[in-house]
Amino acid sequence: AQSVTQPDIHITVSEGASLELRCNYSYGATPYLFWYVQSPGQGLQLLLKYFSGDTLVQGIKGFEAEFKRSQSSFNLRKPSVHWSDAAEYFCAVGARGSNYKLTFGKGTLLTVNP
Amino acid sequence: SQTIHQWPATLVQPVGSPLSLECTVEGTSNPNLYWYRQAAGRGLQLLFYSVGIGQISSEVPQNLSASRPQDRQFILSSKKLLLSDSGFYLCAWSLPGQVPRNEQFFGPGTRLTVL
Repeated sequence: AQSVTQPDIHITVSEGASLELRCNYSYGATPYLFWYVQSPGQGLQLLLKYFSGDTLVQGIKGFEAEFKRSQSSFNLRKPSVHWSDAAEYFCAVGARGSNYKLTFGKGTLLTVNP
Repeated sequence: SQTIHQWPATLVQPVGSPLSLECTVEGTSNPNLYWYRQAAGRGLQLLFYSVGIGQISSEVPQNLSASRPQDRQFILSSKKLLLSDSGFYLCAWSLPGQVPRNEQFFGPGTRLTVL
């Protein structure tokens, strides 16, 4: 079965600084990978997804993520963080034969200092 | 366009009382539907999913049940709530088919507090 690890529970950055959120997955083949964002008390919104092809994917709100098969990683990046990016971020993996399911990491809470 | 609704937004219930949370989707047909529970620091736990009317799969044995009486309606229920049922409940939908590439779209959630 697939699994997802987000090693950082909480990250604090200053507004305007760059951001990288880590995600490692465990799966025997090429997975389907997703990043979601959740503002406090809200549902989850899809930021970006990777299925195949170009390993650098662009998403909404200026986010991008890079799939690295050799490292089993799918890290989320943003060159310059805005105060409105403060939220919780979830990485998720879907796999062939997973029977409609996504497996989510436990999330990384991002705090942005002015 | 598709939209997903959940209600109520917040709910405070005593231990031992029944529960009914409702989720409806508009603008699509025969979606896959999902119920998740989110507890602080524990990510999202998939509770149930449904690929069609009357078809429910349970992921975690527990005090809860789910039903899908109509194509775009998904209900989460309990006969007697436990303290441990407190949490944030999220409904989600995806396009039909066993295609894990299909992203899931989430509703706004219901905050349940059991006292």
